[in-house]
Amino acid sequence: EVVLTQSPGTLSLSPGETATLSCRASQSIGNIYLAWYQQTPGRAPRLLIYGASSRATGIPDRFSGSGSGTDFTLTISELEPEDFAVYYCQQYGSSPPYTFGQGTKVDIK
Amino acid sequence: QLQLQESGPGLVKPSETLSLTCTVSGGPIDSSSYYWGWIRQPPGKGLEWIGSVYYTGSTFYNPFLKSRLTISVDTSKNQFSLKLSSVSAADTAVYYCARPLRGYSHGGYDSWGQGALVIVSS
Repeated sequence: EVVLTQSPGTLSLSPGETATLSCRASQSIGNIYLAWYQQTPGRAPRLLIYGASSRATGIPDRFSGSGSGTDFTLTISELEPEDFAVYYCQQYGSSPPYTFGQGTKVDIK
Repeated sequence: QLQLQESGPGLVKPSETLSLTCTVSGGPIDSSSYYWGWIRQPPGKGLEWIGSVYYTGSTFYNPFLKSRLTISVDTSKNQFSLKLSSVSAADTAVYYCARPLRGYSHGGYDSWGQGALVIVSS
């Protein structure tokens, strides 16, 4: 099983600041099988990034993904009020289970 | 626009079988290349990939759930289903059905149902 470790657990920032979220895999997953999601309370996750760096349909360009191998980053530039949420990474390479990280909460400072 | 909707009992007794169905509208479930997925989220916790099914019936299961899990598809009803046997309180969660953005993928889910809360309790 590929274990994804997200850091930090919580990120406290102000609107307008930049958030940098990390997702580290216990083994290499290449660079095309990593996704990032945003989740707000009571809602289903929303796909932000797939293939490590491709934005999903309708996602603002302030969201960007990077990385390969075992280290991946989601960057949110100029935080908007609606960006304060929980963010999950997911790997979907090789074989099951296709695991999620434990999440990073971005909250308002 | 593709829509997914979970349905099934919201309360299941311990040791019994949890059954959920995902109804897909806005597109055929037997369109080529998609693995239709199930993901769950215990209250206040993170996401767990349960498994997925191809329209032909081919399945992919989380090894940690495999012994209790059955996922199937009914193309005539444009539905796919989840059965999880011998449930315990640890199976209490919101269960989501989802479809990935890209074909032949078990991640990058961009279409989700609203989620169905299933509580395991006597």
